[in-house]
Amino acid sequence: DQQVKQNSPSLSVQEGRISILNCDYTNSMFDYFLWYKKYPAEGPTFLISISSIKDKNEDGRFTVFLNKSAKHLSLHIVPSQPGDSAVYFCAASALGANNLFFGTGTRLTVIP
Amino acid sequence: DAGITQSPRYKITETGRQVTLMCHQTWSHSYMFWYRQDLGHGLRLIYYSAAADITDKGEVPDGYVVSRSKTENFPLTLESATRSQTSVYFCASSVSPTYEQYFGPGTRLTVT
Repeated sequence: DQQVKQNSPSLSVQEGRISILNCDYTNSMFDYFLWYKKYPAEGPTFLISISSIKDKNEDGRFTVFLNKSAKHLSLHIVPSQPGDSAVYFCAASALGANNLFFGTGTRLTVIP
Repeated sequence: DAGITQSPRYKITETGRQVTLMCHQTWSHSYMFWYRQDLGHGLRLIYYSAAADITDKGEVPDGYVVSRSKTENFPLTLESATRSQTSVYFCASSVSPTYEQYFGPGTRLTVT
């Protein structure tokens, strides 16, 4: 039973435009959310996170939005660059848990 | 160099063979994790360890064995490899199980 879902396996965006990656979760106990970026033949690298006490967190071109009532988070990349082309995983955790729960990933392609 | 390393990076083995994947981290992180990445499933937790000599099962532990005699090492053993264990395996470490985890580069394992 997938507790974290990324329903879009792939997304293509023109360079300079906004990329929006979406993630839904089912467990209301989740209180911390993360986004990871993965290039081919490399391990995932941490990108940005957000606590459930916030609804937005920004880091440069990357912004994560959290809608707790809808159990939905999104990652916005503005402006998108070709180097952003990668697979993006969202992940979630609950206080007291021993691990992160990952989504299935969305492959972002930024077209020059 | 500081960080988290995995070896080998690529491995081909035959059904029924025992194979061990190595993971080493230099940060002295308490927590270490093993994941497998498969198309359509994202990252699934196999085993994790909270400290030396403390390990526990994750989502998909069957067919795998782990040990952690030293804080910095967390080997994963497939006691009798099966074709269904063909996957990319990632090791990760963190200071807390529910916050940022730092991943190794991965081991691509093929079982023939």
